[in-house]
Amino acid sequence: EDQVTQSPEALRLQEGESSSLNCSYTVSGLRGLFWYRQDPGKGPEFLFTLYSAGEEKEKERLKATLTKKESFLHITAPKPEDSATYLCAVPARPGGYNKLIFGAGTRLAVHP
Amino acid sequence: DAGVIQSPRHEVTEMGQEVTLRCKPISGHDYLFWYRQTMMRGLELLIYFNNNVPIDDSGMPEDRFSAKMPNASFSTLKIQPSEPRDSAVYFCASSLWASGSYNEQFFGPGTRLTVL
Repeated sequence: EDQVTQSPEALRLQEGESSSLNCSYTVSGLRGLFWYRQDPGKGPEFLFTLYSAGEEKEKERLKATLTKKESFLHITAPKPEDSATYLCAVPARPGGYNKLIFGAGTRLAVHP
Repeated sequence: DAGVIQSPRHEVTEMGQEVTLRCKPISGHDYLFWYRQTMMRGLELLIYFNNNVPIDDSGMPEDRFSAKMPNASFSTLKIQPSEPRDSAVYFCASSLWASGSYNEQFFGPGTRLTVL
């Protein structure tokens, strides 16, 4: 069965303290991995798509990387506004790119 | 663009009552998704539509749940009868098809359902 596991469940950082979030998956023939950000009381907001091992994407203080077994979301010098829950997802088989399996998320809190 | 619109934002009802959640996707999008989010199970896909036609409803938990999309700008998710275990946040999302790649899903603000 396809599974997505995120760690840690929660992470508390001081402003400026860099760290990484992990997303590991067990799905045959990975066709992509997606990162979303969710603020409290809101729907998830798309961040990145990664399609193949070795691929990297960056957006402001965030960088997502992908290996054959896992993905990392690196947060460099975070600010309080980066506080949110970060979700990763992979497409289920069968289902094309539309049927996504989401991980439970990592709740990130950045304190000034 | 107003984004995906959901109503109501909050719904409190009693066990056994019918609940109808509504969604207006982003204009021009041809895919519509219904998700449920709980602390225990996370974010789960319930059903999705393409051009108003249901494509995959394997995530619908049981026959008490039904979804319709009568036109390109409106969809409903109905629970009848509702049970306390249906309490969750229900999200609607929409996307625009693009060949051979992932199509970003745009999520609405969600409806928080509480069944007493």
